[in-house]
Amino acid sequence: GAGVSQSPSNKVTEKGKDVELRCDPISGHTALYWYRQRLGQGLEFLIYFQGNSAPDKSGLPSDRFSAERTGESVSTLTIQRTQQEDSAVYLCASSRGLAETQYFGPGTRLLVL
Amino acid sequence: GQQLNQSPQSMFIQEGEDVSMNCTSSSIFNTWLWYKQEPGEGPVLLIALYKAGELTSNGRLTAQFGITRKDSFLNISASIPSDVGIYFCAGPLQTGANNLFFGTGTRLTVIP
Repeated sequence: GAGVSQSPSNKVTEKGKDVELRCDPISGHTALYWYRQRLGQGLEFLIYFQGNSAPDKSGLPSDRFSAERTGESVSTLTIQRTQQEDSAVYLCASSRGLAETQYFGPGTRLLVL
Repeated sequence: GQQLNQSPQSMFIQEGEDVSMNCTSSSIFNTWLWYKQEPGEGPVLLIALYKAGELTSNGRLTAQFGITRKDSFLNISASIPSDVGIYFCAGPLQTGANNLFFGTGTRLTVIP
């Protein structure tokens, strides 16, 4: 498909386990963003990647959160030692370049028991 | 800290009615974006506003960039059932910033 895809669509894990979430951006989009959406709330920015520049990690809530991106393709968001407050929908978006329209994926719904 | 407050938080309206919602900020935004999110999906951009006072339409949707740069309005005319969803305002906190700051959302329910 032509849109942003994310996997898995749903993830249930036990407190303390590590999880890895994947995002496949739209082909050719140089910028990639991760956001978190808690139940009933708006989106919170976590991190973004732009080309080969150093990522902007200013939104990551703790050092348990990290993300990587291979070139201008796939990105993975890793949450180590998950806590119940990490339960949320994790949304990925991509854009053609800086300050361009962001297109969102369907999200990964994470539930930490 | 920075907040984007949206009102109302939720709306229940009859099909065919017009809808109006707004977004207010404690600080200036130079770009206002309106997104719609349907259940199980990511947000989809509806309208983008780049200039104070700007009024932009997209079909039955009309949005305005407030003169003070601290607010924006979204109107939906002649609502239909598929308008159901959560509407978010958003914008970059700083000019040229790439990450978006999102509002609290307005949940719209349209009763057929």
